[in-house]
Amino acid sequence: AQSVTQLGSHVSVSEGALVLLRCNYSSSVPPYLFWYVQYPNQGLQLLLKYTTGATLVKGINGFEAEFKKSETSFHLTKPSAHMSDAAEYFCAVSAHSGGSNYKLTFGKGTLLTVNP
Amino acid sequence: DAGITQSPRHKVTETGTPVTLRCHQTENHRYMYWYRQDPGHGLRLIHYSYGVKDTDKGEVSDGYSVSRSKTEDFLLTLESATSSQTSVYFCAISGESYNEQFFGPGTRLTVL
Repeated sequence: AQSVTQLGSHVSVSEGALVLLRCNYSSSVPPYLFWYVQYPNQGLQLLLKYTTGATLVKGINGFEAEFKKSETSFHLTKPSAHMSDAAEYFCAVSAHSGGSNYKLTFGKGTLLTVNP
Repeated sequence: DAGITQSPRHKVTETGTPVTLRCHQTENHRYMYWYRQDPGHGLRLIHYSYGVKDTDKGEVSDGYSVSRSKTEDFLLTLESATSSQTSVYFCAISGESYNEQFFGPGTRLTVL
């Protein structure tokens, strides 16, 4: 069984400030991890993913995330927030072995607000 | 962008009526999924398909059925809509690589 916890349903930052969105996961097998972004009235767009190999992964729009196995975390960061980053962000986990390796489990989402 | 369309994009219906939502893909991907999105719940899997005529239940499947007669189409049916099924419904597709999923634009369903 897998689960995802996103700490903070709403995060507010100033433009130019660091963005940190937290994600912790639970998985009985080595996970694949994803961050998705959803802009208002749109579908979800893949931001970045961790599968195997390098634990620091870079995504689109200047975002990156680091897989920390010891902490079961996959936090999303961006050094300097832009107004266009305002959106809802979802962390998701998928197992890459076993019978359910084709399903994602999503966190409940974090709404990012960027203040001018 | 992945070639995924959903129809209709918006629908208002009355309690007790049947509703069918359609997801169409042009990517020839094997896996297709239906999710619902509700405030405070994130995305929850309703049903998924791992091939033509091969489907299985997700975590919130009660009141929903699906069918996949062609690789490109995945239908979600609410046999008798209830107000609790008011939601935004997303279709997603996935190939064989790392379970990465691509999402459609969504269907906003209101059941009065």
